[in-house]
Amino acid sequence: EPEVTQTPSHQVTQMGQEVILRCVPISNHLYFYWYRQILGQKVEFLVSFYNNEISEKSEIFDDQFSVERPDGSNFTLKIRSTKLEDSAMYFCASSDPQGVDTQYFGPGTRLTVL
Amino acid sequence: RKEVEQDPGPFNVPEGATVAFNCTYSNSASQSFFWYRQDCRKEPKLLMSVYSSGNEDGRFTAQLNRASQYISLLIRDSKLSDSATYLCVVSGDSSYKLIFGSGTRLLVRP
Repeated sequence: EPEVTQTPSHQVTQMGQEVILRCVPISNHLYFYWYRQILGQKVEFLVSFYNNEISEKSEIFDDQFSVERPDGSNFTLKIRSTKLEDSAMYFCASSDPQGVDTQYFGPGTRLTVL
Repeated sequence: RKEVEQDPGPFNVPEGATVAFNCTYSNSASQSFFWYRQDCRKEPKLLMSVYSSGNEDGRFTAQLNRASQYISLLIRDSKLSDSATYLCVVSGDSSYKLIFGSGTRLLVRP
């Protein structure tokens, strides 16, 4: 069964450093998303991406965040200057054109900012 | 008012029990509704979609009441493996972003 993959599974970084989280969505999917979940809290939407551009972003997704689809398979989330409060699980998700609101999630990257 | 509201639980039930979870949502223009399951420190996994008057998948039944903005999930004949957090999720009125509830924790004991 096709699945979304994410790397790394765990990233530890120092405050102020840049991190790039990587995702490989399901191959025939065209809509891509990033969500985050701070420990003990609910899953929160960050950004959606379609046709090589951001289609929607939340208030959390400020200028420190960016997304990119550098090639035909990867989808990345970059945080330019990490803060302590960026520590969370980051989930990538994708959906296909027929079921755009049925999203399948990757296993997540646990980001720890020290 | 929270966009999606759920009782956090935990619901502690014996194997074989029937358990029901409820959820309310605030945006009457929401288009799509889902139940996801999340195990500890894992990703949310789609359990079932709820698009119209209801949906059944084996031991799981979901109901939607648009007038009351209320969604429910019924689990019959609970198994130990059903222990998890159940997330009520709605999609936006004009977007595909998913809005999650905080989840209801279920513990099924032997």
